[in-house]
Amino acid sequence: KAGVTQTPRYLIKTRGQQVTLSCSPISGHRSVSWYQQTPGQGLQFLFEYFSETQRNKGNFPGRFSGRQFSNSRSEMNVSTLELGDSALYLCASSSGQGASYEQYFGPGTRLTVT
Amino acid sequence: AQKVTQAQTEISVVEKEDVTLDCVYETRDTTYYLFWYKQPPSGELVFLIRRNSFDEQNEISGRYSWNFQKSTSSFNFTITASQVVDSAVYFCALSDTNQAGTALIFGKGTTLSVSS
Repeated sequence: KAGVTQTPRYLIKTRGQQVTLSCSPISGHRSVSWYQQTPGQGLQFLFEYFSETQRNKGNFPGRFSGRQFSNSRSEMNVSTLELGDSALYLCASSSGQGASYEQYFGPGTRLTVT
Repeated sequence: AQKVTQAQTEISVVEKEDVTLDCVYETRDTTYYLFWYKQPPSGELVFLIRRNSFDEQNEISGRYSWNFQKSTSSFNFTITASQVVDSAVYFCALSDTNQAGTALIFGKGTTLSVSS
């Protein structure tokens, strides 16, 4: 079974631009969560999508948004990029919603904002 | 507020030594889940274990073992006879019960370096 895939793996953007990251969950998984990892703040929950609906959202500004498609693939978008948005963005998928379900993480997209 | 503390930022050991990674959590909930993940240099988080709050039994999986003690709010992870391949960042995480879904609250991680 293929794991969680994320594209692109690396990205360099300029302040003020916007960016879209993609995540393909494990086949059959309907829940997709996104996390931001930075050296200063560590791993922080961004949001979770289940059956194309955003179920939960972390404490991030509205510049961070996402969506989920009918095939469970998810995208996250960051508008008006700031230097502080430089981070590793990790996507995780699970077969159901809730902490009792194991989350499988992808390799991440490393975003650098200059 | 919920919180996970991994007080050990970095640990260095020599191969075959045993090493324990500490994890202390804070939550007011009675039902919660605790997790350990491994992050090798490649970046992806690898799931190691999930434990629910009602199951305090210690668990052993090969060279890995976990000690869950609700009385001290700790969920420590021991690697026996460490190997170079164990070098990675290890994260302890707590299910965020303020969120209905799958959100996790992570500790800052412990970087383990195993030298030969």
